[in-house]
Amino acid sequence: GAGVSQSPRYKVAKRGQDVALRCDPISGHVSLFWYQQALGQGPEFLTYFQNEAQLDKSGLPSDRFFAERPEGSVSTLKIQRTQQEDSAVYLCASSGLGAGDFSGANVLTFGAGSRLTVL
Amino acid sequence: QKEVEQNSGPLSVPEGAIASLNCTYSDRVSQSFFWYRQYSGKSPELIMSIYSNGDKEDGRFTAQLNKASQYVSLLIRDSQPSDSATYLCAVNDSNYQLIWGAGTKLIIKP
Repeated sequence: GAGVSQSPRYKVAKRGQDVALRCDPISGHVSLFWYQQALGQGPEFLTYFQNEAQLDKSGLPSDRFFAERPEGSVSTLKIQRTQQEDSAVYLCASSGLGAGDFSGANVLTFGAGSRLTVL
Repeated sequence: QKEVEQNSGPLSVPEGAIASLNCTYSDRVSQSFFWYRQYSGKSPELIMSIYSNGDKEDGRFTAQLNKASQYVSLLIRDSQPSDSATYLCAVNDSNYQLIWGAGTKLIIKP
């Protein structure tokens, strides 16, 4: 697609529910990132994929968080047994080239985000 | 712990004046520097990227990088109300990760 598409845009979950957030990156983009952004803060890194390989998941806050990108395109971030502290905007971003190169055209393009509210 | 620091603001600037946003970073090996603009409730969008010391100009925007002092700044000339947003500074080292500042909220007063 022309841009990074995320769904749902808004999700309200009761504490303890499982949620799944979807990201459809720009077609052909190799790198895909998930970030968590709390109100008034910058994005916090969650996990990174290069094609279908999850190269870094060090930012995932707990084992309740799981991400996958099985075919190297669409990615899903799953949060199990949601807690109130999981409430945030979850941003997906993609870039055209591989890891380690943010020069030239290889900059991050963000989706609109999924705002999760856990009651 | 690699850090990127920004004044949270809000920074209030009269319309037509120059807005100056600053960012400092802790990792000396950082190589790429970015300014993103984020409107309330929207996702970040890239405004400027800079990779070498000095100034880089694009329209009303100028990014300035000083690696020796470990700071990067963004100047916005002829500020417009539509420039009111949060400006995020992001820094990349040799890794694939971007380290983000918390952002500076800019308010342009008509």
